Amino acid sequence: AQTVTQSQPEMSVQEAETVTLSCTYDTSESNYYLFWYKQPPSRQMILVIRQEAYKQQNATENRFSVNFQKAAKSFSLKISDSQLGDTAMYFCAFMKHESGNTPLVFGKGTRLSVIA
Amino acid sequence: GAGVSQTPSNKVTEKGKYVELRCDPISGHTALYWYRQSLGQGPEFLIYFQGTGAADDSGLPNDRFFAVRPEGSVSTLKIQRTERGDSAVYLCASSSGLAGRSEQYFGPGTRLTVT
Repeated sequence: AQTVTQSQPEMSVQEAETVTLSCTYDTSESNYYLFWYKQPPSRQMILVIRQEAYKQQNATENRFSVNFQKAAKSFSLKISDSQLGDTAMYFCAFMKHESGNTPLVFGKGTRLSVIA
Repeated sequence: GAGVSQTPSNKVTEKGKYVELRCDPISGHTALYWYRQSLGQGPEFLIYFQGTGAADDSGLPNDRFFAVRPEGSVSTLKIQRTERGDSAVYLCASSSGLAGRSEQYFGPGTRLTVT
């Protein structure tokens, strides 16, 4: 079974600064996907960024980037130029790579507060 | 529709009652998932449909929980004899079901409160 661990229950960052959220996972699979989702108070889960395990290059989406270390089973999220709208719960998630889709396995989340 | 929708947004029910939660996925998405999110936790998988059939129901906690997707679109999660421990946000997600197109798109959830 896969597990996802987010060791930081809460983080805060000043507006315009950079923050890194940590995530580690455990799996015996060789091919899989990793995701970061954002959940604001509205409850809507929003996909922030996705990484395919067979790709060595770290994914980047505008101000969001990841540091994917496959051997260490680590997948951290870096948010640059933090904005007040980034305040939310952030969840790291794992998905096995199979034909079709498989369920996501989530961590417990990190609550991020961006301070003006 | 433009996104995944879920109804009702909030549901309060008494212990022992029966409830139904509805999910309307993105048009054309063949894969549909139900997750349960307890307070302060990440979502936990309940059941996954590919088309009309349940491809994986290993996350359903007991036989009080059941879900259907009769026409391969809308899905209903049904909970019998509700218990206070069933109180949570129930999230639905859909995806295209195609290999390599792995993104799941979530609805806003239904907050279920059992009193």
